[in-house]
Amino acid sequence: GAGVSQTPSNKVTEKGKYVELRCDPISGHTALYWYRQSLGQGPEFLIYFQGTGAADDSGLPNDRFFAVRPEGSVSTLKIQRTERGDSAVYLCASSPTGRVGNEQFFGPGTRLTVL
Amino acid sequence: EDKVVQSPLSLVVHEGDTVTLNCSYEVTNFRSLLWYKQEKKAPTFLFMLTSSGIEKKSGRLSSILDKKELFSILNITATQTGDSAVYLCAPLGSYNTDKLIFGTGTRLQVFP
Repeated sequence: GAGVSQTPSNKVTEKGKYVELRCDPISGHTALYWYRQSLGQGPEFLIYFQGTGAADDSGLPNDRFFAVRPEGSVSTLKIQRTERGDSAVYLCASSPTGRVGNEQFFGPGTRLTVL
Repeated sequence: EDKVVQSPLSLVVHEGDTVTLNCSYEVTNFRSLLWYKQEKKAPTFLFMLTSSGIEKKSGRLSSILDKKELFSILNITATQTGDSAVYLCAPLGSYNTDKLIFGTGTRLQVFP
């Protein structure tokens, strides 16, 4: 596809449930990022992949959050035992190499609502 | 702790006005600063600034960085209703990874 795509666009779940959010980066981009954006705030970094490996996961808030990118393309962000505070828009971005000088291209996000 | 402050938080203007959006930062291992425009969901890239004092321009938008005083400004001249959006400032603040550290943004509303 032409840009970064994310599915689903909206996800409503109940407290305590497990959710998976998917990101399809731009073809050929080796770097992939997950951010979380709460209402009225800027995006907050969660995790960065270079290829298949998580190069920086320092932004994951706790061990309920996990992300994978097994083949170096599509990534899945997994949230266990969801809490109401997890409600936010989850944004994915990709860039060609992850080096300085490469802008990050963002997807439209997944709006997660935990009831 | 890394910190990014944008001002004003909100701005309401009429078409044709000129606006200046401010971004100050305190970020370790600073390398560059990016500006994004966010209309609905996906932030779209505007500028990347790496060197002080060099203005970047794109149509009616321009931006400049001051690495000594740790701030950047984004100017929009002859504003149009299509400029209505949240403008996000994001320094790159990690030596090993390209994680962006976003401010809360400035919400710009342009009325006809």
